[in-house]
Amino acid sequence: GAVVSQHPSWVICKSGTSVKIECRSLDFQATTMFWYRQFPKQSLMLMATSNEGSKATYEQGVEKDKFLINHASLTLSTLTVTSAHPEDSSFYICSARASGTGDTEAFFGQGTRLTVV
Amino acid sequence: DAKTTQPNSMESNEEEPVHLPCNHSTISGTDYIHWYRQLPSQGPEYVIHGLTSNVNNRMASLAIAEDRKSSTLILHRATLRDAAVYYCILSRRTGTASKLTFGTGTRLQVTL
Repeated sequence: GAVVSQHPSWVICKSGTSVKIECRSLDFQATTMFWYRQFPKQSLMLMATSNEGSKATYEQGVEKDKFLINHASLTLSTLTVTSAHPEDSSFYICSARASGTGDTEAFFGQGTRLTVV
Repeated sequence: DAKTTQPNSMESNEEEPVHLPCNHSTISGTDYIHWYRQLPSQGPEYVIHGLTSNVNNRMASLAIAEDRKSSTLILHRATLRDAAVYYCILSRRTGTASKLTFGTGTRLQVTL
């Protein structure tokens, strides 16, 4: 079964509205989760690292005020796309890894396809 | 982050073995070699990872060069369900869960 669950799988929203995507770690406590974005025919691009109980760390070029990340518990991180516009339409994917070493596998959610109309 | 280089695409016939190469000439001693694959419209899926020794699991085998500057993912008998983009990623061992940086990967096509 899925180790990381992402919801919703797809969402269509109107331009200017906000959309929240949830990412849950089902089998382990994840102090750190990762959010990626993927445009068609491109690779995954890391947006930010979500840290439980503290502020997220954003990659260069990612607007922190537009992509709000909340990691309030050890099993849940949320990504809110605020004031969405058509250019924000993309495939958003979250990931979680057990902490401690670099030799643990990463688990990924099934992704959320966001379409802004 | 140390970079990896993979061919853009490869083709294989069903039931035949597939060898997917990856070059990582700037790998450091604490970098693990991870492989993930992504099927269309899905999140990536873990395949295998290793540090120095060759690794086998139910999905694949990972052959790591002695100098660790390259590795090969081996699918022993490709099936149509193995058609995906395969990513070779270096993951540095740190005290916390480290991020994975994806390259362009290799798109594997499997034909009958």
